[in-house]
This record gives sequence, structure tokens and C-alpha cells, in this order.
Amino acid sequence: KNEVEQSPQNLTAQEGEFITINCSYSVGISALHWLQQHPGGGIVSLFMLSSGKKKHGRLIATINIQEKHSSLHITASHPRDSAVYICAVSSVGGATNKLIFGTGTLLAVQP
Amino acid sequence: DAGVIQSPRHEVTEMGQEVTLRCKPISGHDYLFWYRQTMMRGLELLIYFNNNVPIDDSGMPEDRFSAKMPNASFSTLKIQPSEPRDSAVYFCASSFRLAGYTDTQYFGPGTRLTVL
Repeated sequence: KNEVEQSPQNLTAQEGEFITINCSYSVGISALHWLQQHPGGGIVSLFMLSSGKKKHGRLIATINIQEKHSSLHITASHPRDSAVYICAVSSVGGATNKLIFGTGTLLAVQP
Repeated sequence: DAGVIQSPRHEVTEMGQEVTLRCKPISGHDYLFWYRQTMMRGLELLIYFNNNVPIDDSGMPEDRFSAKMPNASFSTLKIQPSEPRDSAVYFCASSFRLAGYTDTQYFGPGTRLTVL
């Protein structure tokens, strides 16, 4: 079993829909990261959080440390949000900068 | 700052050849990471450095892979000899970490390697 699990693996939405991507992890963490990878391949860090909630524009990330679960929400989705969204965790103990990745969620937002 | 710089962006080579991938981290960052991304396995950490010193190379697949960081502004990942299964996108990332704090990693554009 992977230490970081994402769901769904694939998601198709209509423009304007509210989108939720989930991430569950089984290790102790110091932080959880949400990354975005566009079809061109570049990877951008969206959020890094260790508790509570963060918001940036139409993106919201939440984390529940007790349940070892995080969600990434996209409000008023747009075709330009189409990308792969990757959850990653920095595990506690030793190298806290070392990331463990989920397998990603491929999001397609149709106009 | 220009961000993390990787070269080349694309590399096509034949099996058995030596391949060298290069990375220039963001100035002032003291952590550098090499990742590999494939369809089958997703993103995997290969090795990372702190202050130019390799800290964890447990993700390096085998002895054919080696990485160096001779100074704070340059790192290489070398594959010798290359094999078709090494075909992947290789990302370099850098970050700056204060004691007890985990920082965001900044990724380079990646090198797409194809081994024929």
C-alpha cells in the first residue's frame, strides 16, 4: 500500500463546477504539499500546510492531522485548471525535506 | 531569480551511452533534490543534497546512476551506461530550510530523457 493515496485518479468536470481532490497518508508528517503539473510538464507548488486551511484565489487546501487526510478544492473551475494535481508529504523523523508523493489526480475541466 | 535551471530539456541517446543531466538551483537554497517521473511509478526521489553534501541516495536505482554537487550552484546526475528503462522525465528541485521548518520546493522544468 502506498504511503500517500489520492482519489480520484481521474476527474472530468464542467466549467464552473466545484472540484474536490482527496489525499490520505499513513505516515507521520511535518507538512503536506499540493503540487500542480500542467500538460507541458512543469511542476508548481500550490500549497504547503501542516494544519488547518489555506486559500489562494479559487484554490483551497485543508488538512486534518488526526484523520491523516487533506483535500484540495477548486471553486468555479476553469479549463485552465486542467492539470495533474499531486499530493506529497514531508515525513517526520530524519530528513523532513524529503517528499513522498501520491500518484496524482488528472483533472480535465471541459468548457 | 530565474528559478531552477535544468539542461538539457530533451535528450535522446542510444542504449549504452553516458548521459549527464545538469541543474542550477535557486541562489541561496541549501537543499537540492533529483526526482524521476515515469508513467508507471510517478514521481520518485532519487537523491538529495544539503549544503552540497549527499544526504539520502536510497532512491538511486542502481550503480549506473551517480550524482554530484561540486558547489552550491551546480549539480549533475549521470547515468552510465544508459538503458531504455531509464527513459523518464528527470526533475531537479531546490529549497531553503530554516531549522525545524519545512520549506516549499521549487522545481525545474525537467529533462525528458529517451534512451533508444
